[in-house]
Amino acid sequence: QVQLVESGGGVVQPGRSLRLSCAASGFTFINYAMHWVRQAPGKGLEWVALISYDGNNKYYADSVKGRFTISRDNSKNAVYLQMNSLRAEDTAVFYCARDRTRRGTEADYWGQGTLVTVSS
Amino acid sequence: QSALTQPASVSGSPGQSITISCTGTSSDIGGSDYVSWFQHHPGRAPKLMIYDVSNRPSGISNRFSGSKSGNTASLTISGLQAEDEADYYCSSHISNSIPVFGPGTKVTVL
Repeated sequence: QVQLVESGGGVVQPGRSLRLSCAASGFTFINYAMHWVRQAPGKGLEWVALISYDGNNKYYADSVKGRFTISRDNSKNAVYLQMNSLRAEDTAVFYCARDRTRRGTEADYWGQGTLVTVSS
Repeated sequence: QSALTQPASVSGSPGQSITISCTGTSSDIGGSDYVSWFQHHPGRAPKLMIYDVSNRPSGISNRFSGSKSGNTASLTISGLQAEDEADYYCSSHISNSIPVFGPGTKVTVL
């Protein structure tokens, strides 16, 4: 069965960096685009970033553009989110989600999430 | 990115039917075949309930159905059950593969 397991969350000071990882299993990873989506405390879901199946196309929400970088390693069945210049408003549970296609249309399977807290 | 609107809450009694609306524009819902709905129980992974406007993934009960008219998509839950109590989010694909989520609707089973 499809499994997505996020890791790397924690407490970090404003302005610092953090790298999230998502380990995928139960499907042919290279055949799917992957998303990161977040949920701030008490708020709804916010799409963060998308990477195509081959890593050649990447898209970002305006709120993270220039600060976050999505990447993937198809040999390790993993997707990453490098987060730099973190702000208090980046505090959220970050979810990794598989897309239904290679290039990006709709997310289908999601992980349980990893909590990132940005605080001094 | 564009914004979608959903009612903050919808409630119903067990066995009843409820409908959650998701309103956008011709740039998102009105112009996209990629409208999906997710169920989210706090603390758990969101779950895809409807994709491509009206398709159910394997394993999803046929009590859940989706539709679209113009710039508004809808999720209907029939035969409401206690386990349906959750937050529901719509999503639409806009330009350059970018998805946008609605603000979410809290469904309460009375």
